Amino acid sequence: GQNIDQPTEMTATEGAIVQINCTYQTSGFNGLFWYQQHAGEAPTFLSYNVLDGLEEKGRFSSFLSRSKGYSYLLLKELQMKDSASYLCASMDSNYQLIWGAGTKLIIKP
Amino acid sequence: IAGITQAPTSQILAAGRRMTLRCTQDMRHNAMYWYRQDLGLGLRLIHYSNTAGTTGKGEVPDGYSVSRANTDDFPLTLASAVPSQTSVYFCASSDEYSGGTPGELFFGEGSRLTVL
Repeated sequence: GQNIDQPTEMTATEGAIVQINCTYQTSGFNGLFWYQQHAGEAPTFLSYNVLDGLEEKGRFSSFLSRSKGYSYLLLKELQMKDSASYLCASMDSNYQLIWGAGTKLIIKP
Repeated sequence: IAGITQAPTSQILAAGRRMTLRCTQDMRHNAMYWYRQDLGLGLRLIHYSNTAGTTGKGEVPDGYSVSRANTDDFPLTLASAVPSQTSVYFCASSDEYSGGTPGELFFGEGSRLTVL
């Protein structure tokens, strides 16, 4: 079956660094996606990895290891506005996104 | 209108009633999607449309229908609502079929539906 696993909730301190892990198992693979979703709002696209390695975009970076079925999202210099849920999704062989349940990130001052 | 607009934002509905959730986009994206989001679960695809005039079933299509008469509109209909259809519904679009990043979806603000 297809499955995406990510922690339910994480807590971090303002100004610190946090890494949100995601493991995936899908029928085929056409990319790994991270979205941010603030409470009561729509998800917004953060990053896309299709090749192994690290993609950096400002304070956010995303890593992919296809051989391990593993990705992480790294958030640096955390700000209070980063409090949100972070959704991991894998694109399968039919180009459909399979979504994890999301990781709720709580930032404390 | 800018992006994707969903209506209504919120609705309480009696079981057995028919309901249509509206979705309109002004980005001229070819692909559109309907998802439902429930606590503790990932987004689940209900129906999708790769281009005007075509639709397809997602992971959880039962009890729902869609139409795509033109590029901009993609309404979702619940023919006879049941309590298990209580959820937040998101409409999304992408331009992956015209050069955009596959999997980069643009979401509407969601429609919160409660079926009693």
